[in-house]
Amino acid sequence: DVKVTQSSRYLVKRTGEKVFLECVQDMDHENMFWYRQDPGLGLRLIYFSYDVKMKEKGDIPEGYSVSREKKERFSLILESASTNQTSMYLCASSFLPGSASEEYFGPGTRLTVT
Amino acid sequence: AQSVTQPDIHITVSEGASLELRCNYSYGATPYLFWYVQSPGQGLQLLLKYFSGDTLVQGIKGFEAEFKRSQSSFNLRKPSVHWSDAAEYFCAVVPGEDDYKLSFGAGTTVTVRA
Repeated sequence: DVKVTQSSRYLVKRTGEKVFLECVQDMDHENMFWYRQDPGLGLRLIYFSYDVKMKEKGDIPEGYSVSREKKERFSLILESASTNQTSMYLCASSFLPGSASEEYFGPGTRLTVT
Repeated sequence: AQSVTQPDIHITVSEGASLELRCNYSYGATPYLFWYVQSPGQGLQLLLKYFSGDTLVQGIKGFEAEFKRSQSSFNLRKPSVHWSDAAEYFCAVVPGEDDYKLSFGAGTTVTVRA
């Protein structure tokens, strides 16, 4: 079974802190994704990566950055956390490029910024 | 603007009754279509997907979906609901063959009553 793990299930941070969310997949997938999930808005893509050290902006990249130094690990960084970044963050990975491939999701990290 | 619409925010259904969840999209060409389920506290799991061919698609957990090009719809159905089907359901679309990005609907929450 494909496994996508996220470093924390719940996280509480203060405004202005630098926050790292880590995601690891164990199936040698090429593509990795970060989404945020908010009630009534579904999932919105923040960033994705189709190869090591490669990244592309999604629909809502403002206030976030990412890092992919190794194929299995994709990190989401909040440089200076703000209260409007309180949300559920979901990581996903997929094998094939483009639309042909199912995305496998991690369990999510619920981040609260106070 | 291109979009994915799930008109029903919340549906309540009795155990053993049938279920239909609606999904409409507004993309020019025939996109690639997916339904995902998110059980409480879990990540998303793929139920089924449509790329081409037979417009009636069978998925896991007894779900099926029908693609109707004329209505730009991809509705999800289950003939007899079980209590374990209580979850949030997301329709998702990849606009085209060379596109990486899933666009999600806002989700429909299903409550199953005994």
